[in-house]
Amino acid sequence: NAGVTQTPKFQVLKTGQSMTLQCAQDMNHEYMSWYRQDPGMGLRLIHYSVGAGITDQGEVPNGYNVSRSTTEDFPLRLLSAAPSQTSVYFCASSKGLAGLGTGELFFGEGSRLTVL
Amino acid sequence: AQSVAQPEDQVNVAEGNPLTVKCTYSVSGNPYLFWYVQYPNRGLQFLLKYITGDNLVKGSYGFEAEFNKSQTSFHLKKPSALVSDSALYFCAVRPSRSYNTDKLIFGTGTRLQVFP
Repeated sequence: NAGVTQTPKFQVLKTGQSMTLQCAQDMNHEYMSWYRQDPGMGLRLIHYSVGAGITDQGEVPNGYNVSRSTTEDFPLRLLSAAPSQTSVYFCASSKGLAGLGTGELFFGEGSRLTVL
Repeated sequence: AQSVAQPEDQVNVAEGNPLTVKCTYSVSGNPYLFWYVQYPNRGLQFLLKYITGDNLVKGSYGFEAEFNKSQTSFHLKKPSALVSDSALYFCAVRPSRSYNTDKLIFGTGTRLQVFP
């Protein structure tokens, strides 16, 4: 199993550009989520999904869109990139809802985004 | 507000000595508690969790954590530190199911440095 795969690993954007960070998991996990990691702030939840067709906002959703058309994929879209979105982004999935049952999160290796 | 605090940005310990990484939480109800570790340029990896039962939880790589409800703490411990334990450690909490939230709240992280 590949686990959680994120692409691209690195990306540089100009302010105002849009892009999509891809996330795919091959573990048949119901729960998927996106976090951003910033120095001194830990991980902050952007959006999450408890199954195909269901998404919800996390702590810092502004400027980001998500969709969940399949169990495997959970792309994160930046609509109009801003320097404040410079960060490392992590996708994570879980068999159950986060914390229920065995539901520990499995993380991808991250996507480092720089917005100039 | 529900939150997790890791009061130390960095913990330094000599190899072979015991280590403790501190975590306190503030949530309503009975929390589910987690520890994750992040090695450089990698995603987070699950170490251990407390759901219910014995207050001392054993996890991967010889780590353990003690849940203390009266002090609202969940400190990570290891009897004998290794240089390879040097990494960034995150405490996380999920409020209990009754609060119907499908999220993990992460602390800001503690960098553990083990010196030879």
